[in-house]
Amino acid sequence: NAGVTQTPKFQVLKTGQSMTLQCAQDMNHNSMYWYRQDPGMGLRLIYYSASEGTTDKGEVPNGYNVSRLNKREFSLRLESAAPSQTSVYFCASSETGQGYEQYFGPGTRLTVT
Amino acid sequence: AQSVSQHNHHVILSEAASLELGCNYSYGGTVNLFWYVQYPGQHLQLLLKYFSGDPLVKGIKGFEAEFIKSKFSFNLRKPSVQWSDTAEYFCAVITRGTDKLIFGTGTRLQVFP
Repeated sequence: NAGVTQTPKFQVLKTGQSMTLQCAQDMNHNSMYWYRQDPGMGLRLIYYSASEGTTDKGEVPNGYNVSRLNKREFSLRLESAAPSQTSVYFCASSETGQGYEQYFGPGTRLTVT
Repeated sequence: AQSVSQHNHHVILSEAASLELGCNYSYGGTVNLFWYVQYPGQHLQLLLKYFSGDPLVKGIKGFEAEFIKSKFSFNLRKPSVQWSDTAEYFCAVITRGTDKLIFGTGTRLQVFP
C-alpha cells in the first residue's frame, strides 16, 4: 500500500497564479484533511472532509478551496496564489470516529513569488 | 478555543542524555492525545497515542508519555536519546465530538554525538 500520496512535491508559483494540489489515499479511510506547516506555527488545518461529498472549513481556509472527488481523492486549490501561501502542505487521512490516528502524506513545498 | 502548548521550541542534547518535552492543552473535557515526529525531509509519523486506560503510554523507538489529567499535560520522555532522534516533535489533541486534530507549534530536537 502506498498510504497517502501527494503531487507535486515542489511547486513555484507567481502571485495570482492558480494551482491544485492532489492527494490520494489507498487505506479506504473516510476522513481526509489538508494542513499547512509554517515555521514556529506547527500544523494548521485548512479544510477537512469527514466523508465523500462533504467538506468543512478548518482554522485557516481563506484563499483555498477543496474538492472531495471520491473516497480516495481530496484536492486543494489555490485560485489566486499569494506570497502568504508559501508553505509546506500536508494531506492526511484517517478512519472516521474519535481519536483515530491520522496518516500523513510526504508534503508539497509551495513557494509563491 | 482549544489550544496546545509546547513550551520547548528548540532542545539541544548530547547522545545518551535524557529527554522530556512538555505538552499542555487547554480543553477540560475528554481528549485523545498524540505525539507525532517529523524526521528531516520526511512526513509526520505517529510516535504514540493515548485514548484511555493506563496514563503511561509507550511508543516506538523507546519513547513514552504520561497523561496527567489534573495538569492537562502529556509530556514526552526518553531516557537516553540517540543522534537519530534528531527531528521535530509535535503534540496533538483531539476532543470528543470532533475529528479535528489540534497541533502544538512543535519542538525541534537536535542530538549531537
